[in-house]
Amino acid sequence: DGGITQSPKYLFRKEGQNVTLSCEQNLNHDAMYWYRQDPGQGLRLIYYSQIVNDFQKGDIAEGYSVSREKKESFPLTVTSAQKNPTAFYLCASSVESGRVTGELFFGEGSRLTVL
Amino acid sequence: DAKTTQPPSMDCAEGRAANLPCNHSTISGNEYVYWYRQIHSQGPQYIIHGLKNNETNEMASLIITEDRKSSTLILPHATLRDTAVYYCIVRASYEKLTFGTGTRLTIIP
Repeated sequence: DGGITQSPKYLFRKEGQNVTLSCEQNLNHDAMYWYRQDPGQGLRLIYYSQIVNDFQKGDIAEGYSVSREKKESFPLTVTSAQKNPTAFYLCASSVESGRVTGELFFGEGSRLTVL
Repeated sequence: DAKTTQPPSMDCAEGRAANLPCNHSTISGNEYVYWYRQIHSQGPQYIIHGLKNNETNEMASLIITEDRKSSTLILPHATLRDTAVYYCIVRASYEKLTFGTGTRLTIIP
């Protein structure tokens, strides 16, 4: 089954610890994205990558880092520099960089709670 | 600076058509209208998009006014599984998708 897999689904961490969220896709999509969602809010773009070994900051990149060493994988690290890391994190992919259709395929999300 | 305006919430009876409005009075000629929905605690799901003409697929219909300043997403026979937050997004082909707070649609049995 083709799709996007995010792990873990739920994650608890102590303040000051870095944490890495995994995102894997087998859709052969070029572009991948990370969004953050806070309760009752819309999605905000953290980072995106249009091609392997290249990525760009979104609207709220501070305190986060990413890598894109493989087409299938786009892990997100939430660093200790992120002041309010508790949130719902969503990974998405699209066939191209959203240039034509704007159709994004989303994973099921990872809910991070910092204690 | 929001490009779209949607009502925060709506109710619809099960089996009836759900009509979700969206205002986008400042839309440019090269901007598309997209609709996504998000069921509680899941990732958003693409529904439909259009530029000028009305569009229909297996999930919904999209009606765009002639001046393109507003649109309506129609779910023809709403079911309880259609309860979700619906996002209307205006976007040019080179832009990233920006999600607002959407409309929370509740289907009532």
